[in-house]
Amino acid sequence: DAGVTQSPTHLIKTRGQQVTLRCSPKSGHDTVSWYQQALGQGPQFIFQYYEEEERQRGNFPDRFSGHQFPNYSSELNVNALLLGDSALYLCASSLGGAGISEAYNEQFFGPGTRLTVL
Amino acid sequence: AQKVTQAQTEISVVEKEDVTLDCVYETRDTTYYLFWYKQPPSGELVFLIRRNSFDEQNEISGRYSWNFQKSTSSFNFTITASQVVDSAVYFCALSEGSTLGRLYFGRGTQLTVWP
Repeated sequence: DAGVTQSPTHLIKTRGQQVTLRCSPKSGHDTVSWYQQALGQGPQFIFQYYEEEERQRGNFPDRFSGHQFPNYSSELNVNALLLGDSALYLCASSLGGAGISEAYNEQFFGPGTRLTVL
Repeated sequence: AQKVTQAQTEISVVEKEDVTLDCVYETRDTTYYLFWYKQPPSGELVFLIRRNSFDEQNEISGRYSWNFQKSTSSFNFTITASQVVDSAVYFCALSEGSTLGRLYFGRGTQLTVWP
């Protein structure tokens, strides 16, 4: 059973460029969340996708956008990169759906994409 | 305001010592979940435990134990007889009933276990 996978592993960009990061959720999971982890900090929630729509969003500018495909995989796009966007970007998958259940909260994380902006 | 506070930035112990990692949380929700994750140098977050706000029973799993106290809004994690392989960054996280699925993380505690 494959876990959460992310690509690429590492990425180097320059200021002003655009980047796309990819995530495939754990088998059977339909919800994908993205987090940004700056060096020495805890992960910060960017947004969450369910049924191909953004369901929740953290305090991140519109330069950060995303997409979820019918197979539940997801992309994170960042436009007009800034030096401060350098971070580890983590994808987490979970089982969503209507109502509240314990399973809804168990998130499985991928290995992350290390983005460096020069 | 920080919803999850991990006051200990770094802790160093010698193998076989016991170590406790502190976590204090803040929420107005009556339904919430607390988590501990481990992040080794590889970067992947590894789930350790989840507790819900209605279950204050402490839990022991092998060398790991957790102490959840709603009266002090704390969810502390103890490793007994620490090992070198326990060296990692440990994160405490909160998920609120009103925004299920969104995790609020603390800044993490870097644990180093020396042989």
